Amino acid sequence: GAGVSQSPSNKVTEKGKDVELRCDPISGHTALYWYRQSLGQGLEFLIYFQGNSAPDKSGLPSDRFSAERTGGSVSTLTIQRTQQEDSAVYLCASSLAYQETYEQYFGPGTRLTVT
Amino acid sequence: AQSVAQPEDQVNVAEGNPLTVKCTYSVSGNPYLFWYVQYPNRGLQFLLKYITGDNLVKGSYGFEAEFNKSQTSFHLKKPSALVSDSALYFCAVRPTGANNLFFGTGTRLTVIP
Repeated sequence: GAGVSQSPSNKVTEKGKDVELRCDPISGHTALYWYRQSLGQGLEFLIYFQGNSAPDKSGLPSDRFSAERTGGSVSTLTIQRTQQEDSAVYLCASSLAYQETYEQYFGPGTRLTVT
Repeated sequence: AQSVAQPEDQVNVAEGNPLTVKCTYSVSGNPYLFWYVQYPNRGLQFLLKYITGDNLVKGSYGFEAEFNKSQTSFHLKKPSALVSDSALYFCAVRPTGANNLFFGTGTRLTVIP
């Protein structure tokens, strides 16, 4: 079946512009995660959605970052007034449910470059 | 604080030889442990996980990992490396009650023909 998809695959933007990154999780997966992978670093958790529950936003690095999930499926990560340090690969993942034992399935990522 | 360490940025091994990619962790409670692999320009692919039970878990592509509670380690192993195993490997832990995975910084494995 179809895996997690993300769009765009690459995004180049000028400093100060807003960007939107999209994630389509695996059908039927109720949990959705956003991570950021910076050069030379591991993956950094950003935000987590589970069903209709309030999202866990504890990993968002600043108030310029926000995310929403519509209809329990597609999610959009928005970065306002982008800065050069926002340049990274943004990965979306989904899992069947919220339980810690379930593995997460990752999309191919969106490579964001802020010039 | 939760942390995952992959002490080797790079591991080189000859094709056909056994390989080990090391991972240690420091988390509260009993964590769930995972290994993921990342090929160039691809997302992370799940390899295997330890939840409970037998300390040796087997996963995809002939990989296995050994959980050692006393040493808080979860090393990834394969008896005979293939050139196609060359990739970036990430260890991850999910503490009990946590909503997310904590990742190590990754180990680049190169299998030399």
